[in-house]
Amino acid sequence: AQSVTQLGSHVSVSEGALVLLRCNYSSSVPPYLFWYVQYPNQGLQLLLKYTTGATLVKGINGFEAEFKKSETSFHLTKPSAHMSDAAEYFCAVSIIQGAQKLVFGQGTRLTINP
Amino acid sequence: DADVTQTPRNRITKTGKRIMLECSQTKGHDRMYWYRQDPGLGLQLIYYSFDVKDINKGEISDGYSVSRQAQAKFSLSLESAIPNQTALYFCATSDFRGTQYFGPGTRLTVL
Repeated sequence: AQSVTQLGSHVSVSEGALVLLRCNYSSSVPPYLFWYVQYPNQGLQLLLKYTTGATLVKGINGFEAEFKKSETSFHLTKPSAHMSDAAEYFCAVSIIQGAQKLVFGQGTRLTINP
Repeated sequence: DADVTQTPRNRITKTGKRIMLECSQTKGHDRMYWYRQDPGLGLQLIYYSFDVKDINKGEISDGYSVSRQAQAKFSLSLESAIPNQTALYFCATSDFRGTQYFGPGTRLTVL
């Protein structure tokens, strides 16, 4: 079975600082990996995804993530935080074969300090 | 217009009442999902449907039922609501690559 662990339920950074949100997964088959963002009072919006090919994936709003199979990780980064990045971020994994269901991590709330 | 819509957006009800949450999509996707979100728990899958004739239970289906009225419509029902069903509920659709697209959510409070 697949599972996702997000390290840190709450991360706080200063505006302009590096953002690093950690995600580790377990999967018995090659996974598809996703990062979603949820702004207050809104649904989830896809930030980026990894399916196959290049392991460094670029998404919207300057975010990127790197798939590291040896570390079973898919950490999300942004070089310079902006106040508008304050939101909750969810990592998710899905299997390719069979049912296409997403398994979500518990979420990380990102706070940006001025 | 939004691709995935949910009604109502907010609902307060009493224990024992029957509640229906509705979801409509204009993305033309066959796959639809219902999740609930609780603080600190992420999203948990309640039910999912891969086409009109296919309904599957998710991780936490007890106390819930669904109806897939058409490709574009997928409803979630709570037959007899209880307070621990107070949560944020999301509907989603999925394309063939597995990317899911979410509605804005329904905030349900059961008193």
